[in-house]
Amino acid sequence: DAGVIQSPRHEVTEMGQEVTLRCKPISGHDYLFWYRQTMMRGLELLIYFNNNVPIDDSGMPEDRFSAKMPNASFSTLKIQPSEPRDSAVYFCASSLNTGELFFGEGSRLTVL
Amino acid sequence: KNEVEQSPQNLTAQEGEFITINCSYSVGISALHWLQQHPGGGIVSLFMLSSGKKKHGRLIATINIQEKHSSLHITASHPRDSAVYICASHMNRDDKIIFGKGTRLHILP
Repeated sequence: DAGVIQSPRHEVTEMGQEVTLRCKPISGHDYLFWYRQTMMRGLELLIYFNNNVPIDDSGMPEDRFSAKMPNASFSTLKIQPSEPRDSAVYFCASSLNTGELFFGEGSRLTVL
Repeated sequence: KNEVEQSPQNLTAQEGEFITINCSYSVGISALHWLQQHPGGGIVSLFMLSSGKKKHGRLIATINIQEKHSSLHITASHPRDSAVYICASHMNRDDKIIFGKGTRLHILP
């Protein structure tokens, strides 16, 4: 398996634009997590899915953020409208049951 | 509310030294993860443990459930061990994972 695949690796956009980040988990994994990492706050859990169902989205900062998992092999994290304070590295991770975490390489977002 | 505290925040050591990074958490957990993040950003899972001790090469992780404490040890440290090491607790009552702020390790040649 190729591991967890995220795209894009880098995104630079202007304030107010919509941003969509994508994640393909490892085949067979039933948990998918979206995290955000900043210098100030470290790694923060935004939302996680179990069997494609969102379980806890209490970490999603505000209504501008939304996440979907239409099937077991694909998830998106959308920010609309984006703001400069959303600049961060967004990681997706997957696991089987609640076992070892496998992280994607991250999507570095810069909002100007 | 579960809090995960790591110490030290930063650690610089000479090549060959024995390294210990500590992690404390405040509520019952089902498992604890140790992660490694190199400059450039990729995050790799080193260990997941719920009791006792695990060893992989020069890395050893221990956990004491009663004391709510875990340690990551690196024997015969090497400059390539320079990275940020992150402890994360998997809470008992749900599947949430809470992260520590990380320990930045720098091994000098």
